[in-house]
Amino acid sequence: EAGVTQSPTHLIKTRGQQATLRCSPISGHTSVYWYQQALGLGLQFLLWYDEGEERNRGNFPPRFSGRQFPNYSSELNVNALELEDSALYLCASSSTLRTGSQYFGPGTRLTVL
Amino acid sequence: RKEVEQDPGPFNVPEGATVAFNCTYSNSASQSFFWYRQDCRKEPKLLMSVYSSGNEDGRFTAQLNRASQYISLLIRDSKLSDSATYLCVVNNDNYGQNFVFGPGTRLSVLP
Repeated sequence: EAGVTQSPTHLIKTRGQQATLRCSPISGHTSVYWYQQALGLGLQFLLWYDEGEERNRGNFPPRFSGRQFPNYSSELNVNALELEDSALYLCASSSTLRTGSQYFGPGTRLTVL
Repeated sequence: RKEVEQDPGPFNVPEGATVAFNCTYSNSASQSFFWYRQDCRKEPKLLMSVYSSGNEDGRFTAQLNRASQYISLLIRDSKLSDSATYLCVVNNDNYGQNFVFGPGTRLSVLP
């Protein structure tokens, strides 16, 4: 069974640009989560999508947005990039079972110059 | 107070040692609990779920104390390959699923 996949692996942008990150969940999983992990820091929750709807978002500005497609894959968009947006962006998926755990993709490392 | 707190670490232990990590959570309505490990510059991977009755997986034992809102992870006979950051994760499940990650405890097993 294929795991969570993310693309691209690395992304280099300059300040003010926009970045789009993509995630495909494990087959059968309908929930997708996005996290930011800056170097040396813990995981910070960004967004949670389930069944195509945004269910919850973390304490991030509106320039962080995303969507979930009918096939449950997801995009994270970051507008007006700032230097401090440089981080590893992790996507995770889970099933809708109440006790389901999350499975992570390998992440996209975003560098803002 | 953070919603999920862990021993700050780092823990530096010799091979073969037994090491225990502690985690506390603040939301008494939390429904499910997990330990993840994260290797340097890699994604977190599920180590084990934590059940009320406690559970064991080889050298790893997890315990949950709902009354004290406390979770622990015990690693016996530490191996070099156990070196990683261990993340305590709580699912609050207020609506669907709401995972909260602790800051992690770093373990280095030394030869």
